[in-house]
Amino acid sequence: AQTVTQSQPEMSVQEAETVTLSCTYDTSESDYYLFWYKQPPSRQMILVIRQEAYKQQNATENRFSVNFQKAAKSFSLKISDSQLGDAAMYFCAYRSAGSYGGATNKLIFGTGTLLAVQP
Amino acid sequence: KAGVTQTPRYLIKTRGQQVTLSCSPISGHRSVSWYQQTPGQGLQFLFEYFSETQRNKGNFPGRFSGRQFSNSRSEMNVSTLELGDSALYLCASSPSPANEKLFFGSGTQLSVL
Repeated sequence: AQTVTQSQPEMSVQEAETVTLSCTYDTSESDYYLFWYKQPPSRQMILVIRQEAYKQQNATENRFSVNFQKAAKSFSLKISDSQLGDAAMYFCAYRSAGSYGGATNKLIFGTGTLLAVQP
Repeated sequence: KAGVTQTPRYLIKTRGQQVTLSCSPISGHRSVSWYQQTPGQGLQFLFEYFSETQRNKGNFPGRFSGRQFSNSRSEMNVSTLELGDSALYLCASSPSPANEKLFFGSGTQLSVL
């Protein structure tokens, strides 16, 4: 069974600074997706960034980037130029790839990291 | 385009009752999945529906059930409520199970007294 571990329950960063959130996972599959989701106080989960395991290149989305280390099963999120609106709970998640017939939207989530942004 | 809509936003029930939660996916999305979020257990997958068929089910007792209608709207039902069922129930939709980008609703907060 796949597992996702986030070892930092809480993190804090100064506005405009950079912060890195850690995530490790365990799987025997070779093809999968990894995600970072953000959950603000509104409770809606918002996709921040995704990474396909077969792609070597790390994904980036504006101020958000990942460091994907497949061999180490590590998937960290870097937030640059942190803004007050980045304050939220961040979840790392895993999804098996699967073919169309076997594809599933079952996500396995980590326990989350609560990010505070100090003005 | 409207997002994923979950109703109601808040619900209070007592032990032993049953409850039905509703989820309307984004227009054109045919895959709907449900998650339970609690402080103790975190986010756990409940089930997934596509084209009115349950494709996958998480490790929850039979008291938890769901269904999907021909218009892709989905409902989940919890019978014989227990205190431990108090949670935020999140629904997510995507065009199909092959599309890995999920869009989540704001959830239904269920409190069981």
